[in-house]
Amino acid sequence: AQSVAQPEDQVNVAEGNPLTVKCTYSVSGNPYLFWYVQYPNRGLQFLLKYITGDNLVKGSYGFEAEFNKSQTSFHLKKPSALVSDSALYFCAVRDAYYSGYSTLTFGKGTMLLVSP
Amino acid sequence: GAGVSQTPSNKVTEKGKYVELRCDPISGHTALYWYRQSLGQGPEFLIYFQGTGAADDSGLPNDRFFAVRPEGSVSTLKIQRTERGDSAVYLCASSPPATSGANVLTFGAGSRLTVL
Repeated sequence: AQSVAQPEDQVNVAEGNPLTVKCTYSVSGNPYLFWYVQYPNRGLQFLLKYITGDNLVKGSYGFEAEFNKSQTSFHLKKPSALVSDSALYFCAVRDAYYSGYSTLTFGKGTMLLVSP
Repeated sequence: GAGVSQTPSNKVTEKGKYVELRCDPISGHTALYWYRQSLGQGPEFLIYFQGTGAADDSGLPNDRFFAVRPEGSVSTLKIQRTERGDSAVYLCASSPPATSGANVLTFGAGSRLTVL
């Protein structure tokens, strides 16, 4: 079975400071990893994904994430936070062992609050 | 269409009633997914369609839940004899054919179901 853990319910950061939202995962084989963001009353929006290759993945709105296989982590980062980054962030994983379909499993989410 | 469309955006019903939720995926996306998001939780997988057939319905919680996609495009999630515990946001997502786990799901804004 595959799973995702987001250990922080909420992350608070001041505007202009760097931010990190943590994610660890568990899969049988190699992972496909995703980050999505959810604004109030909106659907989930894709930010970035890791499939293979470079461990540092760059995505939308200046976000990036670092894949660490030994720590089974995929933390989301941004060098300088904006108030508009305040939202609910979800990490998700698929097992790449399956060449076709496999379920995308989400973490419970981390609320990011950026103060002015 | 330009995005995934879900209707209704809000549905309030009484315990024991029947409910239908509709999803109109992105044109050309053959893969369609239903997820359920309860308050304070991440999306939980319900069912996956590839074309007209349900390729994986392992996430449906019980036989009160059923989904169809008769023409391989629009899908309807049907809930019989609703219970208060069914209250949640029901999310629909679509993607190109799920031949690779790297496919990105595009989500709709969701249908918020409240069972009184």
